[in-house]
Amino acid sequence: ILNVEQSPQSLHVQEGDSTNFTCSFPSSNFYALHWYRWETAKSPEALFVMTLNGDEKKKGRISATLNTKEGYSYLYIKGSQPEDSATYLCALNNQGGKLIFGQGTELSVKP
Amino acid sequence: SQTIHQWPATLVQPVGSPLSLECTVEGTSNPNLYWYRQAAGRGLQLLFYSVGIGQISSEVPQNLSASRPQDRQFILSSKKLLLSDSGFYLCAWNALEDYGYTFGSGTRLTVV
Repeated sequence: ILNVEQSPQSLHVQEGDSTNFTCSFPSSNFYALHWYRWETAKSPEALFVMTLNGDEKKKGRISATLNTKEGYSYLYIKGSQPEDSATYLCALNNQGGKLIFGQGTELSVKP
Repeated sequence: SQTIHQWPATLVQPVGSPLSLECTVEGTSNPNLYWYRQAAGRGLQLLFYSVGIGQISSEVPQNLSASRPQDRQFILSSKKLLLSDSGFYLCAWNALEDYGYTFGSGTRLTVV
């Protein structure tokens, strides 16, 4: 059974703090890794899709890195803002098509 | 442009009642379609996926079923709901050549 693990499960930070989360996955049969941002009562929003070992992607204050050999990805948020509060989901393609999601990291940023 | 519609947004149903959630995609043909569920305190679990009309794959044994009567329509059903069916249900689609999903807006189902 393919297992995607995310840590921590939840995170509480102050506005202005920088933070990062981890996504771990089996390194065999890797195809692509996705990060989504999910706010309550809304659809998950795609942040990044990464396919190559060593990939680094950036969108504003959010960036992500990928290590397919050791099976992990980091998501970084620089200078967290209250509007960054959401659940951040990591998901793995290993056969195209289907995505297998981690349990998510719930981020709360206090003003 | 492609859009995905999912309804209803919220639903409260008694135990033992039937369920029908509908998802439709516009602006594309032959999409891959997916049903996911988030139970309380857990991640997104893939329930069903479909690569074409009448083709349904079930990922986990459960009290639910899915059907794809038309190319861009995906329906999640149950004959008799259980309390454990409560959760947030998301429909999603992607094209064969895509990596990622586009999600519907979700349905919050509470079985009482």
